[in-house]
Amino acid sequence: DARVTQTPRHKVTEMGQEVTMRCQPILGHNTVFWYRQTMMQGLELLAYFRNRAPLDDSGMPKDRFSAEMPDATLATLKIQPSEPRDSAVYFCASGLGQGAPGELFFGEGSRLTVL
Amino acid sequence: DAKTTQPPSMDCAEGRAANLPCNHSTISGNEYVYWYRQIHSQGPQYIIHGLKNNETNEMASLIITEDRKSSTLILPHATLRDTAVYYCIVRVVYGSEKLVFGKGTKLTVNP
Repeated sequence: DARVTQTPRHKVTEMGQEVTMRCQPILGHNTVFWYRQTMMQGLELLAYFRNRAPLDDSGMPKDRFSAEMPDATLATLKIQPSEPRDSAVYFCASGLGQGAPGELFFGEGSRLTVL
Repeated sequence: DAKTTQPPSMDCAEGRAANLPCNHSTISGNEYVYWYRQIHSQGPQYIIHGLKNNETNEMASLIITEDRKSSTLILPHATLRDTAVYYCIVRVVYGSEKLVFGKGTKLTVNP
């Protein structure tokens, strides 16, 4: 079964530390999305890529968050420095791109706790 | 911003049909209606989508009104495993592929 793989599944860290979350999209998918979910805010879109190029990162706090796609098989979301308010579940999703009205496939998420 | 309105919660008896409504009165002609669900702590899962015709797949049916201002997701025989938050989303296909989630409907299927 093709699936989106996210690592780590769980991360506990202390405030001020750098956190990197990784995502392996489904082979052949050319769009990648990063979402954050908290009880208060629900699912928020942080950033998305098409063909590895960032198209929209307006949902991402620019001063501490960064998202990249070093290659077609890896997307990363980095937080530096991390803060307690960053505690959330971070989901990655991939799909076929523009003009293809298909589904997005989500990973199981990375649960981040910042103490 | 989410462009849909859904009831915050619904209940359904196991084995009965679950009908989840969604209002999207400002939908544009080039926007599809998508439904996703999220079972506790898991990533959202695609269910179905449609433009203006009714759609059916192995999971559910989607009924879109003629004016496209509302739709209903139907789970024909709900099971306990269908307990989840269901999200109705309108999405442009050509152009931005962004999927913007609202608060959804928490469906509880009771034994």
